[in-house]
Parts: sequence; C-alpha cells; structure tokens
Amino acid sequence: QSALTQPASVSGSPGHSITISCTGTSGDVGNYNLVSWYQQRPGKAPKLIIYQVTKRPSGVSNRFSGSKSGNTASLTISGLQAEDEADYYCCSYASSATPYVFGTGTKVTVL
Amino acid sequence: EVQLLESGGGLVQPGESLRLSCAASGFTFLNNAMGWVRQAPGMGLEWVSVVTGSGKTAYYADSVKGRFTISRDNSRNTLYLHMNSLRAEDTAIYYCARDLNSGNPACLDSWGQGTLVAVSS
Repeated sequence: QSALTQPASVSGSPGHSITISCTGTSGDVGNYNLVSWYQQRPGKAPKLIIYQVTKRPSGVSNRFSGSKSGNTASLTISGLQAEDEADYYCCSYASSATPYVFGTGTKVTVL
Repeated sequence: EVQLLESGGGLVQPGESLRLSCAASGFTFLNNAMGWVRQAPGMGLEWVSVVTGSGKTAYYADSVKGRFTISRDNSRNTLYLHMNSLRAEDTAIYYCARDLNSGNPACLDSWGQGTLVAVSS
C-alpha cells in the first residue's frame, strides 16, 4: 500500500487561507469517507484535527475544515495564524488489514 | 483525559529484540482498538500495527510482518509491541495511539508522546 501524496510544503500569509491536498486511489481515499488529518508541531506527537473527512474533534478550531472529491481529500486552514506552522499528515482507511495509510506530509509555513 | 505513556525504547544492536509498553488511562481501554505508529528521524508517519479492543485480531504493516507482535492486557490497561530481529531501518520514534473504534480500526484519535528505538551496531 503506497503512501498518499501530499505537497511537500505550502505557505501563506497571516489571515489568509491555504489548502493542502491528499491524493490517494479508488482503493483508499476514493472508496471510504474515512480520511483524517493530523497536525504535528516540532518535537511533539501528532494531533487529530479532522476525522471522517469533515468532522472536527472537540476543541479543534473551526478554522480547520476538510473535504473530499474523488480520490483527493483536502484540508483548508482559514485565517492562518503563526501557531499553525507545523507538519500536516492525512490518513485514510484502505481495508481491514490496512486500516491506516498515511500521507507523505506537508510542511506549512506562515510567512 | 486520555493519557498514553510509552516506555521500553532504547539502543539495541541489529538482530536484537525489544518490547515496548503503553500504559493507558482516562478511558475504558477495552472499548478501543490500539495501534503503533512510527516516525523515522526527519521522516513521515508509518503505521506499524493495530489490535482490536478484544485483542483477538491484529494487523501489521508488511515492513514488520513476521518480526513484530502486538498484544494487549486489558486487565492492566496496557498495550505492547514485541519487536524481534530489529534492523537499522526500524530506528524511529514509536507512538502508541488509540482508535476511535473497537472492532474496525479506522482513525487514531489520541497519541502518546512516543519512545525512541535506535538500532545500531
């Protein structure tokens, strides 16, 4: 099972919006509404920010939103803030034997 | 509050074994599948293994199949990862994580802080 494809880096100015794509196949992203997104700050553990494509866990800012079209899922961060600088990973269910396929990761820089 | 505390990491030589533990608290342990995810230095996340809430079913990434064994003790609220025949490419931070579901893992919602495993001669 190959990793999902994400852009290596995305940047934006404070207050602006950015979108991170996550491209998989019809066997994972395209077949299940089980895409999640994680934020990982340097030296820290990943933190769940989106699950089941569009849902936000309690306590996660509504500036984070998720969507999906075909084999590609997307994470949008609106009203970009300095604290959003981090690595972001998508993850999709692929099968019972491969429940987690992670993306390659995207480094977000706030200019 | 969900808490996951990993232990057991360290420096080992190629071919040696190690057992990682993850002590869980703050939730009903047997109600959630549990997994291990690793991250090599400077690299991305890689799923390693997951076990259902009952402990009856486990799945492994191809890279560790036949060498690693996941298990859990629901009476002790503890998850384990037994790692045999360790290789240099197994060097990574190993994270313990909780799945939202019990029987059909699909999303890891809480993570520990990780424990470092270094394999080198």
